[in-house]
Amino acid sequence: GEKVEQHESTLSVREGDSAVINCTYTDTASSYFPWYKQEAGKSLHFVIDIRSNVDRKQSQRLIVLLDKKAKRFSLHITATQPEDSAIYFCAATNYGNEKITFGAGTKLTIKP
Amino acid sequence: NSKVIQTPRYLVKGQGQKAKMRCIPEKGHPVVFWYQQNKNNEFKFLINFQNQEVLQQIDMTEKRFSAECPSNSPCSLEIQSSEAGDSALYLCASSPRLGATGQLYFGEGSKLTVL
Repeated sequence: GEKVEQHESTLSVREGDSAVINCTYTDTASSYFPWYKQEAGKSLHFVIDIRSNVDRKQSQRLIVLLDKKAKRFSLHITATQPEDSAIYFCAATNYGNEKITFGAGTKLTIKP
Repeated sequence: NSKVIQTPRYLVKGQGQKAKMRCIPEKGHPVVFWYQQNKNNEFKFLINFQNQEVLQQIDMTEKRFSAECPSNSPCSLEIQSSEAGDSALYLCASSPRLGATGQLYFGEGSKLTVL
């Protein structure tokens, strides 16, 4: 089955700098890649996703890049703010599959 | 605030005891997922439903867990005989449509501790 690896378990950046979280996946059939954020004491919530028909997607300060050849995708948070501090989870699945495989999370800390 | 309601938030059980968790999905969402998240934040998919029907489940769920999503009642996940390795956060998520290629809405989870 699909395996999703998140390369950074922790990441610390200075406020205003960019943060990049990298993930790789194993199943070439995977075609949908969402990202979720979990703030301390709260449930996961969806932040952004990308589908395999594009290689870049932006939503305000969030950019997702997808390299299907390398089976790699990444989340870029630009102009980081203190409220970006959280655990970020990447995930992957394919159309027709009913379950999503998650990475183990990256704890992002934004330093003042 | 999450609109997926999970109860209880915490439960403590002895080995061999039953442990039951409930989930009310977001209104109008026919698809429900259960995941187990361990202390290392790793997710394990357990089972998912569309309305009352099981779509997929793993071996462990089939053998040691019972789960259902009856109409007009909360979904539930029950461990028949708890083991120490079952200590984890159990997350319920719902989705407005079939197919995992869409946003999931998560509850806050039920944290199970098996002594």
